[in-house]
Amino acid sequence: EAQVTQNPRYLITVTGKKLTVTCSQNMNHEYMSWYRQDPGLGLRQIYYSMNVEVTDKGDVPEGYKVSRKEKRNFPLILESPSPNQTSLYFCASSFGASSGANVLTFGAGSRLTVL
Amino acid sequence: GENVGLHLPTLSVQEGDNSIINCAYSNSASDYFIWYKQESGKGPQFIIDIRSNMDKRQGQRVTVLLNKTVKHLSLQIAATQPGDSAVYFCAENISGRYSTLTFGKGTMLLVSP
Repeated sequence: EAQVTQNPRYLITVTGKKLTVTCSQNMNHEYMSWYRQDPGLGLRQIYYSMNVEVTDKGDVPEGYKVSRKEKRNFPLILESPSPNQTSLYFCASSFGASSGANVLTFGAGSRLTVL
Repeated sequence: GENVGLHLPTLSVQEGDNSIINCAYSNSASDYFIWYKQESGKGPQFIIDIRSNMDKRQGQRVTVLLNKTVKHLSLQIAATQPGDSAVYFCAENISGRYSTLTFGKGTMLLVSP
């Protein structure tokens, strides 16, 4: 089944404890992206990647890191999480920009709580 | 998501009614538009898309209308069912330019049996 898989789905952690949310897609998509979703603010892009070893900041990149060493994986790293990073996170992927269409396939989401 | 629906405009309909969800987009240069559906506890799912060279596109029970003059997009759902209950949001984009992909805040659709 074509899908985007995120782990963990739920996580409660404490301020300052480094964590990684993994994202993997099996559709050979070039483009991958991370979003956070907060009540009243909608989906906001954190980072995106056009291809392997190519990443760029989205609208809200502060406090996050990403890497794209392989085409299928795009982990989101919180080096020192803070309570304002409590949110619902989505990974998404799509075919490259040359397709002219940006239909994203989303993962099921990762609910992160930072105490 | 569990609390995605907070702070969102809500449309409540009866099962079998037709639903119309509206979206105003911001960038007059946008030429590609997508509607997503997000059920509770799940990620957004693609419903239908439309390019700016069209003003109407139909899918199964869904129709998207585009009015570029007033930068307005609507999603019509025919014979709404309880399974249609979800948050719906539109996205606008300039084709091929991922940096311009922008999502609307969304509308919650509640369908009563």
